[in-house]
Amino acid sequence: DGGITQSPKYLFRKEGQNVTLSCEQNLNHDAMYWYRQDPGQGLRLIYYSQIVNDFQKGDIAEGYSVSREKKESFPLTVTSAQKNPTAFYLCASSIRLTIPYYEQYFGPGTRLTVT
Amino acid sequence: AQTVTQSQPEMSVQEAETVTLSCTYDTSESDYYLFWYKQPPSRQMILVIRQEAYKQQNATENRFSVNFQKAAKSFSLKISDSQLGDAAMYFCAYRSSSLTNFGNEKLTFGTGTRLTIIP
Repeated sequence: DGGITQSPKYLFRKEGQNVTLSCEQNLNHDAMYWYRQDPGQGLRLIYYSQIVNDFQKGDIAEGYSVSREKKESFPLTVTSAQKNPTAFYLCASSIRLTIPYYEQYFGPGTRLTVT
Repeated sequence: AQTVTQSQPEMSVQEAETVTLSCTYDTSESDYYLFWYKQPPSRQMILVIRQEAYKQQNATENRFSVNFQKAAKSFSLKISDSQLGDAAMYFCAYRSSSLTNFGNEKLTFGTGTRLTIIP
């Protein structure tokens, strides 16, 4: 079955440590996205990537980094510079370029808790 | 920048009844897409329905329909014959239709409405 996988579902880290969240898709989608979800704030875009080896900052990129070495993978690193890293993180992907509309498909998310 | 507002943090409806969730947005663009996403307790985001701004006809997907008022910048979701499985957070989202610039593919979300179904 095609889809997006995020691992792990729950992640715990000590303050000051970097942590990498995994996102893999087998939908052959070009674009991938990382969103952060906090209670009462909806989803906010962290980073997105249209093609391999290219990515752009979203609305809240500070304290985060990404890479896009493969079309299928878009890992997100939460660095120690992120002041409030505890949140629910969602990865999404979509086709782009050739059609005017395309849906974003979401993964199941990773709940990160930093203490 | 576009903004999306959902003014109802929580709503409840009796099973089998109809409920309407509100969403307003602000944009200077004339062409765009609007979406309703559902997030059940599993937290998996699921697309419920979408509306292209250039279409005057309101979108419908089975028990889900929208009331799109472009001049008023309003995009409400109506759920008919509510079922227990409809209980979830519902998010309204906006996306520009322009493909000329990177970044226009991003979704701008509202803060969500938690819908409870009363048996």
